[in-house]
Amino acid sequence: DIQMTQSPSSLSASVGDRVTITCRASQNINNYLNWYQQKPGKAPKLLIYAASSLQSGVPSRFSGSGSGTDFTLTISSLQPEDFATYYCQQSYSTLWTFGQGTKVEIK
Amino acid sequence: EVQLVESGGGLVQPGGSLKLSCAASGFTFSGSTIHWVRQASGKGLEWVGRIRGKAINYVTAYVPSVKGRFSISRDDSKNTAYLQMNSLKTEDTAVYYCTRHDDYGDQKFDYWGQGILVTVSS
Repeated sequence: DIQMTQSPSSLSASVGDRVTITCRASQNINNYLNWYQQKPGKAPKLLIYAASSLQSGVPSRFSGSGSGTDFTLTISSLQPEDFATYYCQQSYSTLWTFGQGTKVEIK
Repeated sequence: EVQLVESGGGLVQPGGSLKLSCAASGFTFSGSTIHWVRQASGKGLEWVGRIRGKAINYVTAYVPSVKGRFSISRDDSKNTAYLQMNSLKTEDTAVYYCTRHDDYGDQKFDYWGQGILVTVSS
């Protein structure tokens, strides 16, 4: 199985801050990497697919980059509604896997 | 409007069985791969398994922890997918989500159900 490791596991930030979350795959996954946002009690929401493509309807302050094994999700200016948990997920192998999540909290 | 609606959850004893349903609408069900993802309370997301669409012969795959105990099926005439869970363990307790990806598009979970709680306890 391909293991996905996110860092940090949690972070505290203020509204307006630039936030970066990283995700590392245990082997090459090309660009088969998606990012999701989840709020408590809700289903995950797709933000970024194929490493850097913005899902329709998602604000442009969200962006993704990377290829191979190392990937990044960036929120350019954190908004109050962005406080949530973020997950990366690979769709390269037969068995898809998620990272352990990064919780973004209010400082 | 796209909808995925899970049903069939509840309380079951260890060793028991439960069958979840995922009713879909608003997209081409037969051209979609249906996945099940679960989340234990306070924990992260875990991919459970998937069933491909008709064009890919309805091939299934499962995470090792459920292989041989869980089975995914679908009825394209009813736009519904199923997760049959047998020999349930306490560690299977979680909210179960159905989700999908388009077999002719990018490999991304673009639509999700609201989730259904399965509790395995004596």
